[in-house]
Amino acid sequence: SAVISQKPSRDICQRGTSLTIQCQVDSQVTMMFWYRQQPGQSLTLIATANQGSEATYESGFVIDKFPISRPNLTFSTLTVSNMSPEDSSIYLCSVDGAGVADTQYFGPGTRLTVL
Amino acid sequence: GIQVEQSPPDLILQEGANSTLRCNFSDSVNNLQWFHQNPWGQLINLFYIPSGTKQNGRLSATTVATERYSLLYISSSQTTDSGVYFCAVLFSGNTPLVFGKGTRLSVIA
Repeated sequence: SAVISQKPSRDICQRGTSLTIQCQVDSQVTMMFWYRQQPGQSLTLIATANQGSEATYESGFVIDKFPISRPNLTFSTLTVSNMSPEDSSIYLCSVDGAGVADTQYFGPGTRLTVL
Repeated sequence: GIQVEQSPPDLILQEGANSTLRCNFSDSVNNLQWFHQNPWGQLINLFYIPSGTKQNGRLSATTVATERYSLLYISSSQTTDSGVYFCAVLFSGNTPLVFGKGTRLSVIA
C-alpha cells in the first residue's frame, strides 16, 4: 500500500481567491488522481496526472479552473482557481497501488469551504 | 452508459446487528473496491475484490463478476462502523474508477 499525505487538511477561503493543495506519496507511483466530493455526494474524478505529461481532465473540468502539476513520481498539486461557494468540497488525492494492479489508495482529503 | 448502483442508500442498525450492502455494476470490470469513509472524510480501503470472496475480521465481501454484483457483509456491527460505504469499479477499457453513490450506515448503541 501507499501512504499519502495532503496539505492543507482544511481551509476556509474567500470567493475569487485560489488555493493550492499538495499531495505527497511515500513511494514512487505512475498515476496520481484528483477527486472532488461535494457535500453529501459521491466522488468525482477531476483529472489524472502522470509525471512528465499534461494532466488529463474529465468532462466538466478544465485546466484553467483546476491546474495540476506533477513534477516527480511522489508529488502533485491541484489548484482551485477563482473560487466560488460551489467549489466547497473535499478534494482527495489518489494513487495507483504500486505492486497491486488496479488498486487505488486515497489521501486524507482537503476540506475546502469557500465563503 | 457505465453505472455503479448501491443499495440501500441509508441504513440504521442497532449495535450487534448484521447487514448486507449491495453494489450492482453495468459492465465487465478489471477491479472492484469497497471503501469506508469515516465521519472525518477519510477513505479507508476495505477490499480489492474483482471476483471471489474475501474476509477481514467482521467484514467480508463477495463479487460475482458474471452476474455483475458485489456484496459487503458487516457482522456484529459497532458504532465505529458508522459512515458511508462506497463501491468503486474500474471497468474494462481503461476507464477511470467509477464510484457508486454510497450507503450511509448509522450504528446506534
